[in-house]
Amino acid sequence: DGGITQSPKYLFRKEGQNVTLSCEQNLNHDAMYWYRQDPGQGLRLIYYSQIVNDFQKGDIAEGYSVSREKKESFPLTVTSAQKNPTAFYLCASSELGQGKSGNTIYFGEGSWLTVV
Amino acid sequence: AQSVTQLDSQVPVFEEAPVELRCNYSSSVSVYLFWYVQYPNQGLQLLLKYLSGSTLVKGINGFEAEFNKSQTSFHLRKPSVHISDTAEYFCAVSRSQGNLIFGKGTKLSVKP
Repeated sequence: DGGITQSPKYLFRKEGQNVTLSCEQNLNHDAMYWYRQDPGQGLRLIYYSQIVNDFQKGDIAEGYSVSREKKESFPLTVTSAQKNPTAFYLCASSELGQGKSGNTIYFGEGSWLTVV
Repeated sequence: AQSVTQLDSQVPVFEEAPVELRCNYSSSVSVYLFWYVQYPNQGLQLLLKYLSGSTLVKGINGFEAEFNKSQTSFHLRKPSVHISDTAEYFCAVSRSQGNLIFGKGTKLSVKP
């Protein structure tokens, strides 16, 4: 089935450690996104990529890093510089087509990161 | 700058009653508007979206929304809710780069 796969679903890490969340899509979408979700805060954009080997910072990029070496993969690293990393992380993707706006964004099932 | 405001953080309603979830947006340019639903511990699923044309948009699961440009609103409605509609609902506006700005969400709780 086509879709977006995030792993792991649940992840626990000690404070000060870097951690990488995986995101793979087989929808042949050009654009991929990472959002962070906190209770009562909605979703906030961390990074996005519209083409392989290129990505842009979103609204809350500090303390995070990404790579886009393959079209289908967009891993997110939560670094020790992220002051409050415990959250639900959602990966998403979309076509770009003729116009970027208006295209439906599809989401993965999310990954829970807890830092202790 | 664009922004989205969901006016109610929680909406309790009895089964088979109608419901309206309110969303207002601000934007200096033409907008594309979306409603997504999130069930517990899951990702988001698209309910419906407005791109252009008819201001009344029908989506999945019996939901519909009306785009009102003069009031900058995009309220979500369902005439009769079911227990299975219990979830969190997010309104979003599309930015020129293609990514979305989300509201803070409305938790719909349907009681028997």
